[in-house]
Amino acid sequence: GAVVSQHPSWVICKSGTSVKIECRSLDFQATTMFWYRQFPKQSLMLMATSNEGSKATYEQGVEKDKFLINHASLTLSTLTVTSAHPEDSSFYICSARETGNTEAFFGQGTRLTVV
Amino acid sequence: QKEVEQDPGPLSVPEGAIVSLNCTYSNSAFQYFMWYRQYSRKGPELLMYTYSSGNKEDGRFTAQVDKSSKYISLFIRDSQPSDSATYLCAMRTRDDKIIFGKGTRLHILP
Repeated sequence: GAVVSQHPSWVICKSGTSVKIECRSLDFQATTMFWYRQFPKQSLMLMATSNEGSKATYEQGVEKDKFLINHASLTLSTLTVTSAHPEDSSFYICSARETGNTEAFFGQGTRLTVV
Repeated sequence: QKEVEQDPGPLSVPEGAIVSLNCTYSNSAFQYFMWYRQYSRKGPELLMYTYSSGNKEDGRFTAQVDKSSKYISLFIRDSQPSDSATYLCAMRTRDDKIIFGKGTRLHILP
Protein backbone atom coordinates (compact mmCIF):
# COMPACT_ATOMS: atom_id res chain seq x y z
CA GLY A 1 0.00 0.00 0.00
CA ALA A 2 0.87 3.65 -0.21
CA VAL A 3 3.24 5.09 2.39
CA VAL A 4 2.58 8.16 4.46
CA SER A 5 5.42 9.39 6.64
CA GLN A 6 4.82 11.62 9.63
CA HIS A 7 7.55 13.43 11.49
CA PRO A 8 8.41 13.68 14.32
CA SER A 9 6.96 10.54 15.93
CA TRP A 10 7.07 12.20 19.32
CA VAL A 11 7.87 15.65 20.64
CA ILE A 12 7.98 17.33 24.03
CA CYS A 13 7.72 21.09 24.12
CA LYS A 14 7.35 23.84 26.69
CA SER A 15 4.05 25.58 27.20
CA GLY A 16 3.77 28.65 24.99
CA THR A 17 6.02 27.40 22.22
CA SER A 18 5.01 26.23 18.75
CA VAL A 19 5.46 22.79 17.26
CA LYS A 20 5.39 21.79 13.61
CA ILE A 21 4.39 18.31 12.45
CA GLU A 22 5.06 17.15 8.90
CA CYS A 23 3.06 14.68 6.85
CA ARG A 24 4.52 13.37 3.60
CA SER A 25 3.15 11.00 1.00
CA LEU A 26 6.24 9.11 -0.11
CA ASP A 27 5.14 7.27 -3.23
CA PHE A 28 2.03 9.06 -4.41
CA GLN A 29 0.64 12.52 -4.87
CA ALA A 30 -1.96 13.53 -2.34
CA THR A 31 -4.34 16.32 -3.28
CA THR A 32 -6.15 15.88 0.02
CA MET A 33 -4.69 15.37 3.48
CA PHE A 34 -6.55 15.05 6.74
CA TRP A 35 -5.42 15.84 10.26
CA TYR A 36 -6.82 13.98 13.25
CA ARG A 37 -6.35 14.14 16.99
CA GLN A 38 -6.75 11.12 19.21
CA PHE A 39 -6.95 11.16 23.00
CA PRO A 40 -6.20 7.97 24.98
CA LYS A 41 -8.79 5.26 24.40
CA GLN A 42 -10.79 7.60 22.19
CA SER A 43 -11.53 7.61 18.52
CA LEU A 44 -9.82 9.73 15.91
CA MET A 45 -11.39 13.15 15.72
CA LEU A 46 -11.07 14.97 12.42
CA MET A 47 -9.55 18.41 12.92
CA ALA A 48 -9.24 19.68 9.37
CA THR A 49 -9.06 18.78 5.73
CA SER A 50 -6.39 20.34 3.57
CA ASN A 51 -6.26 20.51 -0.20
CA GLU A 52 -3.08 21.32 -2.02
CA GLY A 53 -2.81 24.99 -2.85
CA SER A 54 -5.89 26.11 -0.93
CA LYS A 55 -6.91 26.93 2.61
CA ALA A 56 -7.72 24.13 4.98
CA THR A 57 -11.28 23.41 6.04
CA TYR A 58 -11.54 23.16 9.81
CA GLU A 59 -14.09 21.15 11.75
CA GLN A 60 -16.38 22.90 14.17
CA GLY A 61 -14.66 23.70 17.42
CA VAL A 62 -11.12 23.56 16.03
CA GLU A 63 -9.28 26.88 16.29
CA LYS A 64 -7.76 27.66 12.92
CA ASP A 65 -5.41 30.25 14.41
CA LYS A 66 -4.06 27.74 16.86
CA PHE A 67 -3.71 24.80 14.50
CA LEU A 68 -2.13 26.16 11.35
CA ILE A 69 -2.25 23.84 8.37
CA ASN A 70 -0.23 24.30 5.22
CA HIS A 71 -0.48 22.03 2.18
CA ALA A 72 2.09 23.61 -0.07
CA SER A 73 2.78 20.65 -2.34
CA LEU A 74 1.18 17.41 -3.47
CA THR A 75 3.39 15.43 -1.10
CA LEU A 76 3.62 17.59 2.01
CA SER A 77 1.22 19.01 4.56
CA THR A 78 2.23 20.55 7.88
CA LEU A 79 0.34 21.14 11.10
CA THR A 80 1.70 23.79 13.44
CA VAL A 81 0.39 23.90 16.98
CA THR A 82 0.92 27.49 18.04
CA SER A 83 1.33 28.62 21.64
CA ALA A 84 0.93 25.07 22.82
CA HIS A 85 -0.64 24.35 26.21
CA PRO A 86 -0.74 21.12 28.23
CA GLU A 87 -4.31 20.47 27.07
CA ASP A 88 -2.98 20.25 23.51
CA SER A 89 -1.05 17.14 24.49
CA SER A 90 -2.42 14.38 22.31
CA PHE A 91 -1.69 11.96 19.48
CA TYR A 92 -1.89 13.75 16.14
CA ILE A 93 -2.32 11.66 12.99
CA CYS A 94 -2.41 12.65 9.35
CA SER A 95 -3.83 10.76 6.44
CA ALA A 96 -3.43 11.29 2.72
CA ARG A 97 -5.55 10.37 -0.24
CA GLU A 98 -4.12 9.90 -3.70
CA THR A 99 -5.60 11.90 -6.54
CA GLY A 100 -8.50 9.96 -8.07
CA ASN A 101 -8.40 7.32 -5.36
CA THR A 102 -10.89 6.74 -2.59
CA GLU A 103 -8.66 5.09 0.01
CA ALA A 104 -6.83 7.15 2.61
CA PHE A 105 -3.58 6.03 4.21
CA PHE A 106 -2.36 7.10 7.60
CA GLY A 107 0.95 8.29 8.97
CA GLN A 108 2.47 6.77 12.08
CA GLY A 109 1.21 9.56 14.28
CA THR A 110 2.95 12.17 16.44
CA ARG A 111 2.68 12.11 20.20
CA LEU A 112 2.83 15.67 21.47
CA THR A 113 3.47 16.36 25.14
CA VAL A 114 3.34 19.94 26.31
CA VAL A 115 4.95 20.55 29.69
CA GLN B 1 -27.18 9.51 18.68
CA LYS B 2 -23.63 9.45 17.39
CA GLU B 3 -23.16 8.89 13.70
CA VAL B 4 -21.08 5.76 14.23
CA GLU B 5 -21.46 3.46 17.21
CA GLN B 6 -18.87 0.85 18.13
CA ASP B 7 -18.49 -1.14 21.32
CA PRO B 8 -15.08 -0.22 22.81
CA GLY B 9 -14.62 -3.64 24.42
CA PRO B 10 -12.21 -4.99 25.47
CA LEU B 11 -13.00 -8.22 23.67
CA SER B 12 -10.95 -11.26 24.67
CA VAL B 13 -11.05 -14.48 22.66
CA PRO B 14 -8.86 -17.58 22.60
CA GLU B 15 -6.36 -18.09 19.81
CA GLY B 16 -7.92 -19.78 16.78
CA ALA B 17 -11.43 -18.51 17.45
CA ILE B 18 -13.49 -16.49 15.01
CA VAL B 19 -13.73 -12.83 15.99
CA SER B 20 -16.75 -10.71 15.15
CA LEU B 21 -16.49 -6.91 15.34
CA ASN B 22 -19.45 -4.66 14.60
CA CYS B 23 -20.51 -1.08 14.04
CA THR B 24 -23.83 0.58 13.50
CA TYR B 25 -24.40 3.92 11.87
CA SER B 26 -27.22 6.38 11.48
CA ASN B 27 -26.28 8.39 8.40
CA SER B 28 -27.64 6.78 5.25
CA ALA B 29 -25.39 9.10 3.20
CA PHE B 30 -22.30 7.11 4.09
CA GLN B 31 -20.92 5.67 0.90
CA TYR B 32 -17.75 3.84 1.80
CA PHE B 33 -17.06 1.54 4.70
CA MET B 34 -13.64 0.71 6.05
CA TRP B 35 -11.96 -1.21 8.82
CA TYR B 36 -8.66 -0.08 10.27
CA ARG B 37 -6.33 -1.81 12.71
CA GLN B 38 -4.37 0.32 15.15
CA TYR B 39 -1.58 -0.92 17.36
CA SER B 40 -0.72 1.05 20.46
CA ARG B 41 0.93 4.41 19.71
CA LYS B 42 0.78 3.80 15.96
CA GLY B 43 -1.30 5.21 13.13
CA PRO B 44 -4.27 3.21 11.80
CA GLU B 45 -3.65 0.66 9.06
CA LEU B 46 -6.32 0.06 6.45
CA LEU B 47 -7.54 -3.55 6.50
CA MET B 48 -10.68 -3.68 4.41
CA TYR B 49 -12.60 -1.29 2.22
CA THR B 50 -16.00 -1.71 0.59
CA TYR B 51 -18.85 0.38 -0.74
CA SER B 52 -21.67 -2.06 -1.34
CA SER B 53 -23.83 -4.35 0.75
CA GLY B 54 -22.58 -7.89 0.97
CA ASN B 55 -19.37 -9.64 1.90
CA LYS B 56 -15.79 -8.97 0.92
CA GLU B 57 -13.06 -11.42 1.80
CA ASP B 58 -9.31 -10.93 2.08
CA GLY B 59 -7.35 -13.77 3.60
CA ARG B 60 -8.54 -14.32 7.15
CA PHE B 61 -10.63 -11.15 7.10
CA THR B 62 -14.21 -10.76 5.90
CA ALA B 63 -16.00 -7.43 5.84
CA GLN B 64 -19.77 -7.45 5.75
CA VAL B 65 -22.05 -4.51 5.05
CA ASP B 66 -25.82 -4.41 5.47
CA LYS B 67 -26.99 -1.01 4.31
CA SER B 68 -30.64 -1.73 5.02
CA SER B 69 -29.84 -2.28 8.70
CA LYS B 70 -26.99 0.27 8.77
CA TYR B 71 -24.72 -2.39 10.20
CA ILE B 72 -21.20 -3.43 9.30
CA SER B 73 -19.06 -6.27 10.58
CA LEU B 74 -15.51 -7.52 10.40
CA PHE B 75 -14.81 -11.21 10.91
CA ILE B 76 -11.36 -12.56 11.66
CA ARG B 77 -10.87 -16.30 11.19
CA ASP B 78 -8.18 -18.36 12.89
CA SER B 79 -7.33 -15.44 15.17
CA GLN B 80 -3.70 -15.02 16.19
CA PRO B 81 -2.10 -13.21 19.15
CA SER B 82 -0.66 -10.76 16.60
CA ASP B 83 -4.24 -9.74 15.79
CA SER B 84 -4.45 -8.12 19.22
CA ALA B 85 -5.03 -4.44 18.51
CA THR B 86 -7.75 -1.83 18.37
CA TYR B 87 -10.05 -2.16 15.36
CA LEU B 88 -11.77 0.96 14.10
CA CYS B 89 -14.65 1.05 11.70
CA ALA B 90 -14.81 4.11 9.51
CA MET B 91 -17.24 5.55 7.03
CA ARG B 92 -16.79 8.13 4.36
CA THR B 93 -19.31 10.76 3.46
CA ARG B 94 -20.03 12.31 0.08
CA ASP B 95 -18.10 15.43 1.11
CA ASP B 96 -15.04 13.31 1.69
CA LYS B 97 -14.92 13.20 5.47
CA ILE B 98 -14.05 9.97 7.22
CA ILE B 99 -15.94 9.38 10.44
CA PHE B 100 -14.48 6.81 12.83
CA GLY B 101 -16.04 4.60 15.45
CA LYS B 102 -14.46 4.61 18.90
CA GLY B 103 -12.59 1.40 18.17
CA THR B 104 -12.84 -2.03 19.78
CA ARG B 105 -9.86 -3.30 21.75
CA LEU B 106 -9.26 -6.94 20.88
CA HIS B 107 -7.13 -9.35 22.87
CA ILE B 108 -6.30 -12.78 21.44
CA LEU B 109 -5.33 -15.09 24.26
CA PRO B 110 -2.59 -17.63 23.45
